[in-house]
Amino acid sequence: EAGVAQSPRYKIIEKRQSVAFWCNPISGHATLYWYQQILGQGPKLLIQFQNNGVVDDSQLPKDRFSAERLKGVDSTLKIQPAKLEDSAVYLCASSLGGSTQAGANVLTFGAGSRLTVL
Amino acid sequence: AQSVTQLDSHVSVSEGTPVLLRCNYSSSYSPSLFWYVQHPNKGLQLLLKYTSAATLVKGINGFEAEFKKSETSFHLTKPSAHMSDAAEYFCVVSAGGKFYFGSGTKLNVKP
Repeated sequence: EAGVAQSPRYKIIEKRQSVAFWCNPISGHATLYWYQQILGQGPKLLIQFQNNGVVDDSQLPKDRFSAERLKGVDSTLKIQPAKLEDSAVYLCASSLGGSTQAGANVLTFGAGSRLTVL
Repeated sequence: AQSVTQLDSHVSVSEGTPVLLRCNYSSSYSPSLFWYVQHPNKGLQLLLKYTSAATLVKGINGFEAEFKKSETSFHLTKPSAHMSDAAEYFCVVSAGGKFYFGSGTKLNVKP
């Protein structure tokens, strides 16, 4: 099966500019996650979608970050305006979702989008 | 509450020697536990998972992990390290549809 697709792989912007990342999960995966991974740290959950509804966005800096998952398939994460501390790898992951399904709670990750804010 | 502690931020071994990466967890539920590996500039890849079946779990590339409920541990082992094992390893606990990551252990393999 095709994996989780993310683009762009790399992006360099000036602070206060905007940037958008795109993610296409594995076909049929109901749950989609965006993680932020700062160099030297583990991934931190930004937002979790179940189909096209938000399950958890408690750690999303909503004054500058936004995300949507229209039609419950692919998703876009936007940062506007960017700050220096947003430099990180943004990882998208998906899972089947639904506790009764075998393998439902296994995360499959994309390759990530590396953001550098100058 | 759920949390994961990876006890070593860096581990260095010689090629051909055993690998031990330590992970302790805390969970209010019966958790699912995972180990993921991340090679430089790559996404995270699932190594193995524990979901309340056998306590000794075998994964890819010769890795295995043992779930010990009494010790709340899920340590990752491999009998013989290979140069290609050099990467960062993350222990993850899942409960209630959420995933909690450890801070990672960087494995260095010396020739």
